[in-house]
Amino acid sequence: KQEVTQIPAALSVPEGENLVLNCSFTDSAIYNLQWFRQDPGKGLTSLLLIQSSQREQTSGRLNASLDKSSGRSTLYIAASQPGDSATYLCAVRPETSGSRLTFGEGTQLTVNP
Amino acid sequence: KAGVTQTPRYLIKTRGQQVTLSCSPISGHRSVSWYQQTPGQGLQFLFEYFSETQRNKGNFPGRFSGRQFSNSRSEMNVSTLELGDSALYLCASSWTTGAQGEQFFGPGTRLTVL
Repeated sequence: KQEVTQIPAALSVPEGENLVLNCSFTDSAIYNLQWFRQDPGKGLTSLLLIQSSQREQTSGRLNASLDKSSGRSTLYIAASQPGDSATYLCAVRPETSGSRLTFGEGTQLTVNP
Repeated sequence: KAGVTQTPRYLIKTRGQQVTLSCSPISGHRSVSWYQQTPGQGLQFLFEYFSETQRNKGNFPGRFSGRQFSNSRSEMNVSTLELGDSALYLCASSWTTGAQGEQFFGPGTRLTVL
C-alpha cells in the first residue's frame, strides 16, 4: 500500500528565506507526482506536476525535484513571501490506480513579514 | 477556460438525511474523481469516473455513491448521513486517466452534519 509522508508538518520562516519541503513515498511504481497548495477552507491549486521520467520541474519561484528510485521529492520555494503562506500537499499517482492520487498530510507554511 | 466548479459550496444537514453534491469538470475533461478531506484523515479518495463508468473506488461504505453524465458532469450522493461525514468534499478533473493527466481541483463543498 502506497504511503506518502511530508516533513516538516509545519514551518514558520521570515519573509525572503529560501525553503525546502520534503515528500517521501513508499512505492516507486508511480506515473507522476503533483504538488498542490491549499489555502484554509479552499480547494487545491496545482503547482507542479512531475512525470516519473522527469527529474524536476520549475514554475517561477518554485522548483520541484523527483528521485523516483529513492521515493523522494522536494519542493523548493525561493525568496518566500507572506502570500506563500498555505498548506502544501504532495500527491503521487500509483501506476495501478487510474487517476487516483495518494496524498501526504501536508506541510503548513507560515511566512512572516 | 473555466475551472472545476462544485455546487453547492456549503451544506448543512442533519443525521439520517441524504445529500447530493455536483461537480462540473473543466471543458474537455472526461475523468472526474472525488475526495473527502477531514482534519483527522486528510484527503481520502472516494471514486473516479471516466466516460460515465466508475473506474476506481476507495474504501468507503455503500452509503457513498456517484455517477457521471454524458457531458462529464458528476454527482455524488451520501445517504443516511452520519456526524462523521462532515467534511470538505473535493472534486478533481483531468482530460485522461492515462499517465499524463494532471489533476485540477474544484473549490469543494463544505458539508456539515448536525
